[in-house]
Formats: sequence, structure tokens, C-alpha cells
Amino acid sequence: DAGVIQSPRHEVTEMGQEVTLRCKPISGHDYLFWYRQTMMRGLELLIYFNNNVPIDDSGMPEDRFSAKMPNASFSTLKIQPSEPRDSAVYFCASSRTGGAADTQYFGPGTRLTVL
Amino acid sequence: AQSVAQPEDQVNVAEGNPLTVKCTYSVSGNPYLFWYVQYPNRGLQFLLKYITGDNLVKGSYGFEAEFNKSQTSFHLKKPSALVSDSALYFCAVRDPGGFKTIFGAGTRLFVKA
Repeated sequence: DAGVIQSPRHEVTEMGQEVTLRCKPISGHDYLFWYRQTMMRGLELLIYFNNNVPIDDSGMPEDRFSAKMPNASFSTLKIQPSEPRDSAVYFCASSRTGGAADTQYFGPGTRLTVL
Repeated sequence: AQSVAQPEDQVNVAEGNPLTVKCTYSVSGNPYLFWYVQYPNRGLQFLLKYITGDNLVKGSYGFEAEFNKSQTSFHLKKPSALVSDSALYFCAVRDPGGFKTIFGAGTRLFVKA
């Protein structure tokens, strides 16, 4: 299995630009999670999906952030417009079920730098 | 509300010596506990988890963790550290009724040759 795939691995953009991060979960996994990692706040859950439907987006920081999952094998996290404080590493993770005992498997992350 | 604490920002140990990375948690009910490791420029990799049963859980790469309910702790251990174990380690907790995983701030492990 290829694991969770994220692209791009690195993104550098200027303030005000739109940024789109992409994720392909592990095949057969019904749950997909987006996390953000910063030095100040650690690892934070932004949003998660079950069977392509957003379940909890309470971690999304602002309306500038949006996430979609048009099918079982693809999800995007979009920031529009981007700001320097959005600079972070964004991880996508997936799990077979959403059960509390189930393991989440993480992608390699996208390092976003907003200048 | 559930929470998890990793009291040490950094742990230094010599190669061949035993290592312990500490984790304490707070959750209502019986917790589900996880350890992940993150190498530079990589995603988090799952090491082990405690759901129920034996308090000593064995995981990947020779790591193990001991669940202690009375002390609300879930410390990560390895009998003999390797230089290649140097990485960032995260403890995480999830309450049985929820989907959200709460991660600790992470502990950086340095293993010196």
C-alpha cells in the first residue's frame, strides 16, 4: 500500500494568494483528517470527513479555510486568501473506521510558507 | 475535556541505555492512548496503542509503553536506545466516545553514540 499521499510537499506563496493542498487517503479508509502543525500550537485537527462528508470542521481557523472531499480517493484543503500566519506543516491522515480504537495513518505533510 | 501532557521537551540518552519518554493524560472514562514518532520532514508514524487488556503494550522498532491507570500515565520505553531512534515523539489520547485525537506537544529524543 502506498500510504497517504500528499502534494505538494513544499509550497511557498505570497500573502493574498490562493493555496490548495491535496491528499489521497489509503484505499479502503473511510475517514480522512486534516491537521496543522506549528511550533506554537502543536498538532491541531482542522476537519475530518466520513465517507466524503465533512463531520466536524470546528477546528478550521477561519472562513479563509475550506476543505472538500469530492470522492473517496481525493481531498483538498484550500486557503484563500493566504496569510503569513498560515505558515505551517499540514498533514492529512486516514483511518479505516472512525472508531476511537482505530489507528490514523499520516501522510508526509505539506510545508506551507506564506511570505 | 481530554488532554495529554508530555512534561519533557527533550530527552537525552546514550546509545545502548534504556530510554523513557513520559506522557500523562486526562480523559473521562477509559482512554485510548497512542504513541507516534516523527522523523525530520516526515509524517507521524504509528508506534503502538493501548485500548484495553495488558498494561504493557509492545509496538514497532522495539518500543513498548506501560499504561498506569492510577497515575494516568502512558510512558514510552525501550530497553536499549539506538542513534536512529532520535526523533520527535508524540503521545495522543482519544476518549472512547469521540473521534478527536488530542496530541501532546511532543518530546524530542536525542540518542548520542
